[in-house]
Amino acid sequence: KQEVTQIPAALSVPEGENLVLNCSFTDSAIYNLQWFRQDPGKGLTSLLLIQSSQREQTSGRLNASLDKSSGRSTLYIAASQPGDSATYLCAVTDRGSTLGRLYFGRGTQLTVWP
Amino acid sequence: KAGVTQTPRYLIKTRGQQVTLSCSPISGHRSVSWYQQTPGQGLQFLFEYFSETQRNKGNFPGRFSGRQFSNSRSEMNVSTLELGDSALYLCASSDGLGIRNEQFFGPGTRLTVL
Repeated sequence: KQEVTQIPAALSVPEGENLVLNCSFTDSAIYNLQWFRQDPGKGLTSLLLIQSSQREQTSGRLNASLDKSSGRSTLYIAASQPGDSATYLCAVTDRGSTLGRLYFGRGTQLTVWP
Repeated sequence: KAGVTQTPRYLIKTRGQQVTLSCSPISGHRSVSWYQQTPGQGLQFLFEYFSETQRNKGNFPGRFSGRQFSNSRSEMNVSTLELGDSALYLCASSDGLGIRNEQFFGPGTRLTVL
């Protein structure tokens, strides 16, 4: 059964820092990995999707990498801002399941203070 | 393109009652998945529907059921509500085909059971 782990569970940094969020998964047979952002009490906003054949994706200040063989992904946030404060979740689509099912980590709660 | 919509946004029910939640996917998407999010368990997969057929189901009791209509709108129903059913219920839509299969989430329905 696919299990997704995110480290750290919480992170507090001053504005302007570059930071890395980590995600690991137990079964490397995945279709893709998706990073989401969730603000308190809200739905999930898709940030980046990396297909299993890709190594990284970039969007603005965000860069996500994928090492499928080792079961790891990182989300790099450059020049963090207070508006980046949220919970960041990673999720994989497992080849052993249907396309509509995501396996989620518990998230990293990020606080960026001015 | 309109995003995923969920109604109602908030619900308060008492134990023993039943509730129906609705999800309208992005136009053209045929897959709708449902998730329950609680502080203790994180995001847990309920079920996925694709072209009116349940394609996958998580480990929830039979009190949780769903369906999908020909226009891809989906409903989930919870009967005989328990206090532990209090949660944020999220739905996600995708095209349901191909390995990219990016998932887009709605704002959620906050259910409180008293």
